[in-house]
Amino acid sequence: GAVVSQHPSWVICKSGTSVKIECRSLDFQATTMFWYRQFPKQSLMLMATSNEGSKATYEQGVEKDKFLINHASLTLSTLTVTSAHPEDSSFYICSARDQANNEQFFGPGTRLTVL
Amino acid sequence: GEDVEQSLFLSVREGDSSVINCTYTDSSSTYLYWYKQEPGAGLQLLTYIFSNMDMKQDQRLTVLLNKKDKHLSLRIADTQTGDSAIYFCAERPSNDYKLSFGAGTTVTVRA
Repeated sequence: GAVVSQHPSWVICKSGTSVKIECRSLDFQATTMFWYRQFPKQSLMLMATSNEGSKATYEQGVEKDKFLINHASLTLSTLTVTSAHPEDSSFYICSARDQANNEQFFGPGTRLTVL
Repeated sequence: GEDVEQSLFLSVREGDSSVINCTYTDSSSTYLYWYKQEPGAGLQLLTYIFSNMDMKQDQRLTVLLNKKDKHLSLRIADTQTGDSAIYFCAERPSNDYKLSFGAGTTVTVRA
């Protein structure tokens, strides 16, 4: 089956530092990947749509300069949280759209804690 | 826009059936999904149904769709302790790739 990985699975950083999270589709090509944020006991909120070879599309209220997205290949998208603050602490989940069947497959998530 | 709603909690005895309910609002042709999330993990796709279908069954899972009321349900037969998780209903219009999620239903299976 289609597998999506994320790295790291968890990260703790100091306030003001930047953190990069990777999302990889392991056995399929994904021209489109999605980045979600999930706060405790809440649903997933779509942050942005990552398109291979072009700029990401951000949802309303998401700062594109704070959450930098790069989708440089058909199997990798990265999300960089710049100048992280404690309120950025959350569970970040990516999904990748399999261009063969248009279905989305989710990664295992990355737990970010900003001290 | 899409608005997906679910009940928040369900407690069920082991061996009984669980029924999780969801309502959606998009009136165009749409895909409706059920995902399972275990603690600290990502989302696992359980099953999905297209809006022109009434029912779909896959082993212990049965999805029922009431198009008139825009009501979707997931029935888990013979619920096991491993079924304890959060279940998300999600909607995706057929002409878009974005998923809209409900708030999630926390299912607790008691012995």
